[in-house]
Amino acid sequence: KQEVTQIPAALSVPEGENLVLNCSFTDSAIYNLQWFRQDPGKGLTSLLLIQSSQREQTSGRLNASLDKSSGRSTLYIAASQPGDSATYLCAIHYYGNNRLAFGKGNQVVVIP
Amino acid sequence: DTAVSQTPKYLVTQMGNDKSIKCEQNLGHDTMYWYKQDSKKFLKIMFSYNNKELIINETVPNRFSPKSPDKAHLNLHINSLELGDSAVYFCASSPGQGNPYGYTFGSGTRLTVV
Repeated sequence: KQEVTQIPAALSVPEGENLVLNCSFTDSAIYNLQWFRQDPGKGLTSLLLIQSSQREQTSGRLNASLDKSSGRSTLYIAASQPGDSATYLCAIHYYGNNRLAFGKGNQVVVIP
Repeated sequence: DTAVSQTPKYLVTQMGNDKSIKCEQNLGHDTMYWYKQDSKKFLKIMFSYNNKELIINETVPNRFSPKSPDKAHLNLHINSLELGDSAVYFCASSPGQGNPYGYTFGSGTRLTVV
């Protein structure tokens, strides 16, 4: 079964701290992995997309890594800000399976 | 603006009614999807269409019927609504299988059945 697990489910950090969000998956036959942000009552905003052949992607303060052999991806958010408060979703596009498998999300609160 | 747009954003209706949610994308993508986000915020696929052809049909009650008049549109019709259908429904699109660019999601339709 192609499961996606995100740990921790929820966390609070003081402003300025670095955030580390973890995503693990059970099947390494992935096509790509996508991190999304969801604000309360809003849609999904794509943050970073990592192809199967890549090890990491960076965008501003965000960095996402991918280790297929260990079935892990990590989203780093440097110098967190209150505006980073949201739920972060990890989603995997598996080979031969034209859909995204989602984790349940990391709910983040950055305390000013 | 290039995007995936859904209407309506909010839908409140009584049990037993029939309702539709519309979705349109102007990204030129070949594949469109409907996802459901339940009360625990878990997202799960319902349907997928590729160039108007149904390619994914998860275990969804027959009361849910998707329709794709063309590859830029994917509508979701729900018959005989039940309380358990209350959720947020997201439309999404992608360039298709072998997609290097990821998925683009609409802003969601919050359906409340009373």
